[in-house]
Amino acid sequence: KQEVTQIPAALSVPEGENLVLNCSFTDSAIYNLQWFRQDPGKGLTSLLLIQSSQREQTSGRLNASLDKSSGRSTLYIAASQPGDSATYLCAVGGTSYGKLTFGQGTILTVHP
Amino acid sequence: GAVVSQHPSRVICKSGTSVKIECRSLDFQATTMFWYRQFPKQSLMLMATSNEGSKATYEQGVEKDKFLINHASLTLSTLTVTSAHPEDSSFYICSARLVDYNEQFFGPGTRLTVL
Repeated sequence: KQEVTQIPAALSVPEGENLVLNCSFTDSAIYNLQWFRQDPGKGLTSLLLIQSSQREQTSGRLNASLDKSSGRSTLYIAASQPGDSATYLCAVGGTSYGKLTFGQGTILTVHP
Repeated sequence: GAVVSQHPSRVICKSGTSVKIECRSLDFQATTMFWYRQFPKQSLMLMATSNEGSKATYEQGVEKDKFLINHASLTLSTLTVTSAHPEDSSFYICSARLVDYNEQFFGPGTRLTVL
């Protein structure tokens, strides 16, 4: 059974700092990995999707890497802003039909 | 593109009543939709996988007679919580799979409160 762990559980940083969120998974036989953002009481916004054959994806100030063999992914956020404050969820897709297993999330607070 | 809507966004009901939640893919066809529930300060737990025109596949521990799922068209799946009880109070989120990109897009969620 796939287990996904995210570290740290919470992170508070000053505005402008670069930061890294970590995600690890126990079964390396994954199909893809997705990073999401969730604002309080809201649904999920997809940030980046990495296919199992890829090593990284970039979108603006976000960069996600994937190391399947070690069961790890990182989400790098450059020049953080208060608007980045949210819960960030990592989800691993284990099959081609799209079933996702989620981590517990990292609560990010960026203070001015 | 790839927008998923849910209705209602919030519902409060009395114990024993049934509640239906709709999930729609607005600008694409989704042969597969997923239903998740999220308790406060916890992550999403997959409840069931809904495939258009066939019976839903439920995760272990999820009562299929309690949570009825119907996926009658390529753009609509419904989740009915039957005889709801306070412990069913939760945030229910659906997602629809964009096949060409093998990516899930999530709805805004439905907050269910059972009194």
